[in-house]
Amino acid sequence: DTGVSQDPRHKITKRGQNVTFRCDPISEHNRLYWYRQTLGQGPEFLTYFQNEAQLEKSRLLSDRFSAERPKGSFSTLEIQRTEQGDSAMYLCASRQGLAGAYNEQFFGPGTRLTVL
Amino acid sequence: AQRVTQPEKLLSVFKGAPVELKCNYSYSGSPELFWYVQYSRQRLQLLLRHISRESIKGFTADLNKGETSFHLKKPFAQEEDSAMYYCALNNQGGKLIFGQGTELSVKP
Repeated sequence: DTGVSQDPRHKITKRGQNVTFRCDPISEHNRLYWYRQTLGQGPEFLTYFQNEAQLEKSRLLSDRFSAERPKGSFSTLEIQRTEQGDSAMYLCASRQGLAGAYNEQFFGPGTRLTVL
Repeated sequence: AQRVTQPEKLLSVFKGAPVELKCNYSYSGSPELFWYVQYSRQRLQLLLRHISRESIKGFTADLNKGETSFHLKKPFAQEEDSAMYYCALNNQGGKLIFGQGTELSVKP
């Protein structure tokens, strides 16, 4: 296990197309987070899972966005009918979810989406 | 509203000079704050967290609740410290609120 992995690393698509990204967390981590980072900004929280349950979604996550973590392991983030404003780096992070303790979030390398 | 502010987009210093990267936060409650670093072509990684009160790679950061600040300091900058630095606040559920980031450039 070499850490959090994301696939693809780069995606170029035309406006209106659907795209799907995958994140494989560190195997023993039960919490998984998605963030979006646009140029010149810090990462912004999108959503997170504890095991297979999606516990919170940001207002940034419009109806065109959907995320799943069906078996509590890998996660997918789908964007339907992409818009140019969706162009960003999409980051995934994972951590242990022990109650009452902070555990470090480990980040993946990100998927860079460009919508033409 | 919970917020993290990093007022400087770019900080440029010479090797051996002291460095201070500023971070201010807004949070109702007891904050948990972190500094993350991203070196060129590498992924985002944790540098240090306030509860540990540790020094990592010569960097320290002290939480000042009165000034709502968590500035990152290093007495003598090295060229390998050049990177993007993000201050982050731990929100409910463990999700992080990041500042805009400060690019540190250490010149020889």
